[in-house]
Amino acid sequence: GQSLEQPSEVTAVEGAIVQINCTYQTSGFYGLSWYQQHDGGAPTFLSYNALDGLEETGRFSSFLSRSDSYGYLLLQELQMKDSASYFCAVRDNSNYQLIWGAGTKLIIKP
Amino acid sequence: GAGVSQSPSNKVTEKGKDVELRCDPISGHTALYWYRQSLGQGLEFLIYFQGNSAPDKSGLPSDRFSAERTGGSVSTLTIQRTQQEDSAVYLCASSLAAGTGYNEQFFGPGTRLTVL
Repeated sequence: GQSLEQPSEVTAVEGAIVQINCTYQTSGFYGLSWYQQHDGGAPTFLSYNALDGLEETGRFSSFLSRSDSYGYLLLQELQMKDSASYFCAVRDNSNYQLIWGAGTKLIIKP
Repeated sequence: GAGVSQSPSNKVTEKGKDVELRCDPISGHTALYWYRQSLGQGLEFLIYFQGNSAPDKSGLPSDRFSAERTGGSVSTLTIQRTQQEDSAVYLCASSLAAGTGYNEQFFGPGTRLTVL
């Protein structure tokens, strides 16, 4: 079957660094995406990795290891506004649709 | 330009009634996706359109659910004989194309459906 696994909840302190892991098992692989969703809001795109390595965008970075079927989202200098759910999603190149993880709720404490 | 819009934003209906949910994608986006999200849960894929055709309907939960897209633009998700378990937020997303390269999905604000 096809599945993505990520922790259901992560807690961190404001100003700290947090890493949200995602492992996947899919029939095809085109790339790993990360989306952010605030409570009551719609998911918004954060990053995309098609090749191995680290992609950095401001305070957020995303990493991919295709050989390990693993990726992570790294959030630095956490701010209270980063409290949200974070979803990893894999593009299955046989269907070209995104297969979504269940999401990780990030709780930030002052 | 305008983003993805959905209507209504909220819908309360009685069990057994039919409902129609509408999605207006970003102009020029040929791919359109419908998802369902229950409270505190992840996104459940329902169906996607490439143009007016739906290559993948595998996510539709039952034959009470159907969707169409006309003119390569607006899409309607119809739920017949609604059940309480249909209560969820229905999200629509669009992207430039499905099939070549990577195309970020842009989401609408969703329709919150409550079946009493």
